[in-house]
Parts: sequence; C-alpha cells; structure tokens
Amino acid sequence: NAGVTQTPKFQVLKTGQSMTLQCAQDMNHNSMYWYRQDPGMGLRLIYYSASEGTTDKGEVPNGYNVSRLNKREFSLRLESAAPSQTSVYFCASSGLERGEQYFGPGTRLTVT
Amino acid sequence: GDSVTQMEGPVTLSEEAFLTINCTYTATGYPSLFWYVQYPGEGLQLLLKATKADDKGSNKGFEATYRKETTSFHLEKGSVQVSDSAVYFCALSHTGGFKTIFGAGTRLFVKA
Repeated sequence: NAGVTQTPKFQVLKTGQSMTLQCAQDMNHNSMYWYRQDPGMGLRLIYYSASEGTTDKGEVPNGYNVSRLNKREFSLRLESAAPSQTSVYFCASSGLERGEQYFGPGTRLTVT
Repeated sequence: GDSVTQMEGPVTLSEEAFLTINCTYTATGYPSLFWYVQYPGEGLQLLLKATKADDKGSNKGFEATYRKETTSFHLEKGSVQVSDSAVYFCALSHTGGFKTIFGAGTRLFVKA
C-alpha cells in the first residue's frame, strides 16, 4: 500500500518548456487535489477532482491544466513554464471525509 | 469566506517543554477541524482531527479541543521531543465541501 505517489521528485525547466506531473493513489479515494507550496504562502489549491471524470479550478489555476485519467491517477500539466511557477507541488487524495487528505511526497520544480 | 489563522513562527523550545500552537478560524456553520504536520522534505500528514464542538482530537501525545465559543483549535503537547521539529498546519473543511482551508503553518524547532 504505497498511498499517494508523485513523479518526478525534482525537475528543472527552462522558461517556456512544458511538463506533466504525475500522481497516483491506491486508496480507492474519489477526490484528488493539486496544491503548490511557496514560502510564506502556505498551501494553495490549484485544481481538484471531486470524482472520476470531473475537475474544477481552485485558488490559483492560471498556467495549469489537469487530467483525471481514471480513479487512481490525476496529472498536472504546465504548458509553458514561467519562473513564477517555481514551487513545491503536492498531490493529495481524500475519501468521504474530504478534509482528511493524504499527501504525496511532493515535486520540487525550478523554472529558470 | 472561511479562513484559518495560526500563530506566526518559528517557535523554538527546549526538549521536554510544553507546546501550544494557537489556531483560530472563521467559518459558517460547523466545520471539521484538523492539524497536519510536515517533516522536512515530506508531504503533509494528518496529525489529529475533531468534527464537532467540544471534541478533543489526540495523537502521538498531541491534543486539540474544538472550541466553538472561541472559534479555536489550539494544538498542545505536554513534553516535546527533538523529533517533533516540523511545520504544523491547522485546517478546516465542511462536510460535503471539496475544499480544505489551510493556515499558513507554524514552524517548530526543538533543541536538545
């Protein structure tokens, strides 16, 4: 039982490059989330998926897209990376109690 | 809208000292309240929760009581250890809601 896994752990991009962050959970959770964490800003919700087949914008969705590929997987795509997207990205999932979230280990992204 | 306010850190304590991290919230209705902990280089982990007024959540020696009258959920531990050094996040969510509101986090350093 791996919980929530994320790949890659680290990534360096140049401005304008694209990439996809992968997330998978093995807890049969319906809801999945993408957050970014920046110093002094706490956690900010980028997108979430309440259930398979649905996605919704969070607090800071600009510059990102998501795909809920199936119940297990939820990916985050940066189409044209910008230095302002330098951050640590966390994926999380939850069951019926949506405040009780399980987090992955994070992806540390640097955009130069 | 809903919000969570935590005491600013960092908090620095000696081993075996008493810990209090203050958390207050603003929300309509009766949200569930949570404390999460983040160790260096890791994702957040749920530490404890309380789902209704006067409930006490507890785990690993940490406790917090849901105080509706003061809209607070302060985290306490009687005797901290060096291994408790981490960032602590207070959070709230509403039953049926899809978003969890996190505080900014409070960093705790425990010296041997």
